Amino acid sequence: QSALTQPASVSGSPGQSITISCTGTSSDVESYDFVSWYQQHPGKAPKLMIYEDIKRPSGVSNRFSGSKSGNTASLTISGLQAEDESDYYCCSYVGGSTFVFGGGTKVTVL
Amino acid sequence: QVQLVQSGAEVKKPGASVKVSCKASGYTFTTYYMHWVRQAPGQGLEWMGIINPTGGGTHYAQKFQGRITMTRDTSTNTLYMELRSLRSDDTAVHYCARGGVITGPTSFALDIWGQGTTVTVSS
Repeated sequence: QSALTQPASVSGSPGQSITISCTGTSSDVESYDFVSWYQQHPGKAPKLMIYEDIKRPSGVSNRFSGSKSGNTASLTISGLQAEDESDYYCCSYVGGSTFVFGGGTKVTVL
Repeated sequence: QVQLVQSGAEVKKPGASVKVSCKASGYTFTTYYMHWVRQAPGQGLEWMGIINPTGGGTHYAQKFQGRITMTRDTSTNTLYMELRSLRSDDTAVHYCARGGVITGPTSFALDIWGQGTTVTVSS
């Protein structure tokens, strides 16, 4: 199972919106409504930000939203803040009780 | 509160084995799937496998088949991940993470993570 494809980096100015894409195949991202997104600050464990493509856990800012079209899922951060500067990873269920992560995207707040 | 506490850092020689533990607390251990995920230095997250703490059933990423064993001890709410025939490229931080509920609709999301265990493989 190959890793999902994410851009290596995305940047934006404070207050702007940015979108991170996560591209899979018809066998993973497109076949299941089970894409999740994780934020990871340096030296820290990942934190769940979005699950089931579009749902937000309690306690996660509503500036974070998820969407999906075909084999590409996306994470949008609205009203970008300095604290959003981090690495972001997507993850998809791929069937057979197995999962795959994306390569990760570094978000820089200019 | 819900938390996962992992064992301490390990240094191993190539060819050796390592066994990392993950103790769960604050919830019913047998209610949720558990995952192991690793991250090599400067690299991304890599899914290793999943275990059902109720029956002990496992599924591993193809990359680790034959080299990995995930087990659990329901009497102590502890998970274990053993990786054998270690190589230098197994040097990574290894995380345990709570997955979806075992019965009923499940989210397949990893919502609670351990603090990570660094495994260093070096001669």
